[in-house]
Amino acid sequence: NAGVTQTPKFQVLKTGQSMTLQCAQDMNHEYMSWYRQDPGMGLRLIHYSVGAGITDQGEVPNGYNVSRSTTEDFPLRLLSAAPSQTSVYFCASSYSPRGYEQYFGPGTRLTVT
Amino acid sequence: GDSVTQMEGPVTLSEEACLTINCTYTATGYPSLFWYVQYPGEGLQLLLKATKADDKGSNKGFEATYRKETTSFHLEKGSVQVSDSAVYFCALTNRAGGTSYGKLTFGQGTILTVHP
Repeated sequence: NAGVTQTPKFQVLKTGQSMTLQCAQDMNHEYMSWYRQDPGMGLRLIHYSVGAGITDQGEVPNGYNVSRSTTEDFPLRLLSAAPSQTSVYFCASSYSPRGYEQYFGPGTRLTVT
Repeated sequence: GDSVTQMEGPVTLSEEACLTINCTYTATGYPSLFWYVQYPGEGLQLLLKATKADDKGSNKGFEATYRKETTSFHLEKGSVQVSDSAVYFCALTNRAGGTSYGKLTFGQGTILTVHP
């Protein structure tokens, strides 16, 4: 049982490049989400999904796309990277969003130059 | 909207000292409250939680009580260890429906360093 896995661990992009951050979980959780962590700001929700085929925006969705074709995978796409997207990105999953523990992946540290 | 405010850090303590990290929240409805811990280079791990007023969450010697009257969820430990050095986040989810269903609203985090 690997829990929540994320790849890559580190990434450097140039402004305007695109890339996909991968997230997978093997706990059969319906709820998955993406957060970004910036110094002094805690974590902020980017997008979330309550099940395969269903996604919705969080509080900071601009510049990011998601899809959920399977229960296990929830990739995050940066369409045209900007320096403001330099951050640490965490994927999380949960059996249910209502009061249940959310399990976090180890994070992807992204730098956009 | 919902919000969480944590005491500013960083906090530096000697081993075996008492720890309190203050956390207050603003939320409609009936939020669940959490403390997450992030060790260096790792993701967040749930430390403890409380899902209704007056509940006390506890784990690894840490405790926090859900106080609805003061909208607080302060984290306490009677005797800290060097291995407790980490970043601590207070967070809530709001069980009311609406947008950002299931969203965890985080405080800004408190860095704790414990010296031998």
